[in-house]
Amino acid sequence: DTAVSQTPKYLVTQMGNDKSIKCEQNLGHDTMYWYKQDSKKFLKIMFSYNNKELIINETVPNRFSPKSPDKAHLNLHINSLELGDSAVYFCASSLDSSLNEKLFFGSGTQLSVL
Amino acid sequence: GENVGLHLPTLSVQEGDNSIINCAYSNSASDYFIWYKQESGKGPQFIIDIRSNMDKRQGQRVTVLLNKTVKHLSLQIAATQPGDSAVYFCAEKAGGYQKVTFGIGTKLQVIP
Repeated sequence: DTAVSQTPKYLVTQMGNDKSIKCEQNLGHDTMYWYKQDSKKFLKIMFSYNNKELIINETVPNRFSPKSPDKAHLNLHINSLELGDSAVYFCASSLDSSLNEKLFFGSGTQLSVL
Repeated sequence: GENVGLHLPTLSVQEGDNSIINCAYSNSASDYFIWYKQESGKGPQFIIDIRSNMDKRQGQRVTVLLNKTVKHLSLQIAATQPGDSAVYFCAEKAGGYQKVTFGIGTKLQVIP
C-alpha cells in the first residue's frame, strides 16, 4: 500500500510541450504539496493545498497550475515546458498544515525537458 | 565525523562510528524542526522532529539537538550502518499555515 503515489515516475518530453503529473494519497490527510528538487538536491516548495483550497503559492511561473479535485488528489499541470523545468518533482501530504507538519513524500517524478 | 556545509556536502564515516550532521536555520520565528532522510531514487522520509520548547530529543539511534541561540540544529546517528547512507535534510517551520523550508542537504557515505 503506497501512502503517497505519483505518476509517472519518469517523464521525458520536448520543450514547448504540456504535461501533467498526478498525485494521490491514501492517508486521509488534509494537506498536499508539490516540491521541486533541483540537480543539487535543493528542495523548494511550489504549492500547498488544504482541503482542496490553495494555501501556499510560491513564486512559480504561471505555466505551472496545480489542481485538487478532492483532498486525496493534487495534480500538477505544466504548460510550455522549458529546459529549466527539468528536475525531480515530489508530491507530499501532511495530516494538517498547521498542527501536524510531518510530511509524507511520494517517490518523485523525474522530468527531463529536451 | 562532523560536517557543516553551504552546498551539498559529503560526510564520510566508518561503519560503526557516530555521525553528526549539522544544520544552520534561518528564521528565528521557526518553532518546529524536522530531519528527513532521502535515499537514492526515493522521496525524503521523516526521521525525527523537535519543537522549539525542547533542546534535545532522542529516537532509535538518532538524537536531534537544537540550539536556538545560534539557530543551529544537529542530527547525531549512533553506530552508523551502511543503510544510513543517504542525503539528510533539516527543515524548519514557523507556526500556522507556514511552509516547511528545507535546508541544503548533507550526503552521508558509510564506509564498510
